[in-house]
Amino acid sequence: GQSLEQPSEVTAVEGAIVQINCTYQTSGFYGLSWYQQHDGGAPTFLSYNALDGLEETGRFSSFLSRSDSYGYLLLQELQMKDSASYFCAVSQYGQAGTALIFGKGTTLSVSS
Amino acid sequence: NAGVTQTPKFRVLKTGQSMTLLCAQDMNHEYMYWYRQDPGMGLRLIHYSVGEGTTAKGEVPDGYNVSRLKKQNFLLGLESAAPSQTSVYFCASSLGTSGSEQYFGPGTRLTVT
Repeated sequence: GQSLEQPSEVTAVEGAIVQINCTYQTSGFYGLSWYQQHDGGAPTFLSYNALDGLEETGRFSSFLSRSDSYGYLLLQELQMKDSASYFCAVSQYGQAGTALIFGKGTTLSVSS
Repeated sequence: NAGVTQTPKFRVLKTGQSMTLLCAQDMNHEYMYWYRQDPGMGLRLIHYSVGEGTTAKGEVPDGYNVSRLKKQNFLLGLESAAPSQTSVYFCASSLGTSGSEQYFGPGTRLTVT
């Protein structure tokens, strides 16, 4: 089986930095992805880590430690529009090819 | 490019009725996926396809069937709807697997009474 754990809610103020952690237990792990979803809309891709270390894309960074089965998403210079749900997802080999298994999501609320 | 589209956007079914949800993508992606999203449960994979004519079970496949007769279309069928299948259904597609970005459709909100 597989499981992913991430906090259910995080709150922060504009301009701050917030870190959303994700721990996972899974077999056949290939990598860790992060997706953003606004108000039940279509999820959108943020980042993917296959190797240990930090990946930076603008204000967002993602980190992976395969030995610790742990990753995080770092959001800097928070803006009101960053209020959304954030999902970590592991790529693992399924019945045919690899598929994504998502965590339950973290709701980020950014206030002014 | 329209990306990933889903039909219908909303539907109300009575218990025992059947229906098919249609997903179409115009990006020539090999891989397509069906997820359901329930409050507090995140996205759960129902079935997926790694190419035309090939499908596989995900985390929660019971009560659903799928078909991928054309590369651009992925159909999700409910043969006998149950209230437990009330959910928002998302389709997605990707060029490859593993870390390939998945592109999601706008979702179908299904209520089974």
